[in-house]
Amino acid sequence: NAGVTQTPKFQVLKTGQSMTLQCAQDMNHEYMSWYRQDPGMGLRLIHYSVGAGITDQGEVPNGYNVSRSTTEDFPLRLLSAAPSQTSVYFCASSRNTLGNSPLHFGNGTRLTVT
Amino acid sequence: GENVEQHPSTLSVQEGDSAVIKCTYSDSASNYFPWYKQELGKGPQLIIDIRSNVGEKKDQRIAVTLNKTAKHFSLHITETQPEDSAVYFCAAPTRGRRALTFGSGTRLQVQP
Repeated sequence: NAGVTQTPKFQVLKTGQSMTLQCAQDMNHEYMSWYRQDPGMGLRLIHYSVGAGITDQGEVPNGYNVSRSTTEDFPLRLLSAAPSQTSVYFCASSRNTLGNSPLHFGNGTRLTVT
Repeated sequence: GENVEQHPSTLSVQEGDSAVIKCTYSDSASNYFPWYKQELGKGPQLIIDIRSNVGEKKDQRIAVTLNKTAKHFSLHITETQPEDSAVYFCAAPTRGRRALTFGSGTRLQVQP
């Protein structure tokens, strides 16, 4: 009963490096999303996807790319890491539109950019 | 888009007391209001939600109330226990219900 799996759990990058945060879900959920969590600011939406092949921007998309080639996977790419991207990143999925289906979160990736 | 404000940011209660966390939202069309609990080192987990066709919903020691006229909703925890200590987030739909906007969170500490 894996649910939403995020890897890695921790990552340290130097400014300018790129990396991909992985997210996979085994619940056959159509909807997937990425949030970042910063102290005192709650959870802010980065990108989301309502199905394979469809992605859209959230509240804070700059500096991040996503793709959704399969229902199960929704990777988040940092193209050129900046210290402002130091944060905890959460991937979440839900069965369909949020009006009647709760979000299931992974346990997060803690990213530090030096 | 939706704007969700949450108060207080921190709350300390004695074991057995009640705790109340309040949220306001801006979009009068919003119709789904979940609450999430986040324990240390983990992702948020849904604990209760309410839809706009009801004013109150209870699940054991947890209840949520909704006032659509005033555009606010609240989480009530009765008979608090140390394991209730966590960060709690409220949320409301945004982007045509395709995403959730979260409040800034409330850190609840239950003192034994």
